[in-house]
Amino acid sequence: QKEVEQNSGPLSVPEGAIASLNCTYSDRGSQSFFWYRQYSGKSPELIMFIYSNGDKEDGRFTAQLNKASQYVSLLIRDSQPSDSATYLCAVNPNFGNEKLTFGTGTRLTIIP
Amino acid sequence: DTEVTQTPKHLVMGMTNKKSLKCEQHMGHRAMYWYKQKAKKPPELMFVYSYEKLSINESVPSRFSPECPNSSLLNLHLHALQPEDSALYLCASSHLAPATEAFFGQGTRLTVV
Repeated sequence: QKEVEQNSGPLSVPEGAIASLNCTYSDRGSQSFFWYRQYSGKSPELIMFIYSNGDKEDGRFTAQLNKASQYVSLLIRDSQPSDSATYLCAVNPNFGNEKLTFGTGTRLTIIP
Repeated sequence: DTEVTQTPKHLVMGMTNKKSLKCEQHMGHRAMYWYKQKAKKPPELMFVYSYEKLSINESVPSRFSPECPNSSLLNLHLHALQPEDSALYLCASSHLAPATEAFFGQGTRLTVV
């Protein structure tokens, strides 16, 4: 079983709609969770992080964490063509261990 | 300022060459990382430095040699690489736990010929 799993997509969403990206992880003791956006040929850009159960909102982005279900998601409201990218979920298994484990990424395409 | 600077942006090297990749951050982060990323794959961790000491080596071949001269700088020395080592090499930095949000540099696109 992979440590961090994402649907590779591609996920196509109409412009202006809500894009929903999902990630599951296997290590129940994982403490911190990150979403990175990566445009083709560019480096990953941190867009959200979440440490506690529940929702965390930042502009058009909302991260949701459910530790009981070992599930973290990213919602993008009012999707724009510039949101088209690969979204990487990353998990830090333990506090005190600076090792990020990445999922394989979900390719998101926003259709104008 | 959430900037991590990597040089060079592109590098082409022969299998007998020796080259170095450089990374710099001025965010006061005490953890620095090297990742390798192949096309359409997620980043793979290579090395982690915490307080300028090597804390994680993910069984990386010795032809890759990391160095952390001070808390702001991280180098990756390359020697006798193989064509399959061609990839995007990413440097990142973060505070130590619990605030471990890692910020990536723009990467060095390495081609081994």
